[in-house]
Formats: sequence, structure tokens, C-alpha cells
Amino acid sequence: DTGVSQDPRHKITKRGQNVTFRCDPISEHNRLYWYRQTLGQGPEFLTYFQNEAQLEKSRLLSDRFSAERPKGSFSTLEIQRTEQGDSAMYLCASSPPWGVADTQYFGPGTRLTVL
Amino acid sequence: DAKTTQPNSMESNEEEPVHLPCNHSTISGTDYIHWYRQLPSQGPEYVIHGLTSNVNNRMASLAIAEDRKSSTLILHRATLRDAAVYYCILRDDYGGSQGNLIFGKGTKLSVKP
Repeated sequence: DTGVSQDPRHKITKRGQNVTFRCDPISEHNRLYWYRQTLGQGPEFLTYFQNEAQLEKSRLLSDRFSAERPKGSFSTLEIQRTEQGDSAMYLCASSPPWGVADTQYFGPGTRLTVL
Repeated sequence: DAKTTQPNSMESNEEEPVHLPCNHSTISGTDYIHWYRQLPSQGPEYVIHGLTSNVNNRMASLAIAEDRKSSTLILHRATLRDAAVYYCILRDDYGGSQGNLIFGKGTKLSVKP
């Protein structure tokens, strides 16, 4: 499978714990995005990488959230001191440096439940 | 990015055509019209995009009004696997933006056998 992969697919944690999610984009895609989706809503943008550089962060990305993309390949999203409000689906997407109109390819998401 | 308006939900019968409308009255000249869909328990999936002319691909057709203030996604023969939330999104030309998509609530399409 050459699509975007995310790990884990599901994560249950207790409030106050730290969690880390991983995203592997499609090979040769230099752009990588993280989104968050709560029940009944469309995905909301969190942050964007071009290669290893984090170029944009949403106001939704509080100081408890940090994302990295070392070497411009896979990316990790860490949430520290989780809160119940962090429960959501976390989606990763990637897009190539070529083509027009910025088509994004999404992974299956990581569903986080904070108890 | 300009805002879009879509119906909350629509129903269709299997093997019949489906026309999903989207209004975007404040669209700018460089905005592309994108459609993505999200099947249950999956990430969004690109469907089609266009700028001014109608577009066809293996998944769907996109009809764009002459004034570009509205568009319609057309599924020619709906199948049960087309049941999903369909999002209409406006995106500025890539050269002038960071690239994140701004999703609304979309249209939930139900397909009846």
C-alpha cells in the first residue's frame, strides 16, 4: 500500500498522559498536514510542513501540542497532558510538490479517546 | 479562503444520478473548487476539482456555473459505496497559499438500495 499511513489507529489514554502519533506520507510528497476532526464536524487544520520546516500552525494548536518532521519524511504529533477535549480523530495528509490546486491525500486517521 | 454553503444531507436511490450542490457566491478569480468525500471511519478522499470549465473523471463530474458562484458534483450512478459526507472547498491557487484545506460540515449523502 503506497498511501498515507498513520499509527496507531486507535489510542485510549487517561487525562494528563502524553500521547504521540505518527504519520508516514506518500513517498516524494514534500508537504504534510495535520488536521483534527471531532464528531459531526469537518476536519480542522492544525499544522503544515514543507519538507522539514513547519510553516504554519493553527490557533487550535495549543502549547500542549507539538509536531515534528525530522528529515522531511515521517511526522509525529505529540499531545502533552491530555484533556478530555482532545478526544478526536487526528488526520494526516500529504501532497506532492508538483501539480496544481494542491490535492491532498489523507491517511485513515488516529482516533484518540481521553478518559 | 471563501466560504461555501451545502445542504446538510441528501438522499439518493442506488443506480440513480446524484447532484450535490454547492454555493460559493464570494469566490475569487483564483479559487479552485475542490470536492472531497469522507466515507465512514476513513480519512477524506479527493474526488475532483475545477476552475472554470466542467470537469470529468472516473469518480464524478463537476459542473461549474458560468459566474462560478455555484457548482454541482454529479455522481452518474450512485452505489451504496458512495454513501459519505461530501465537502465542497475553495482553494486559492497553490502559488499563493500555504495549502491547508478549510472544511465545512459538508453534505451527508445516503444511498438507498
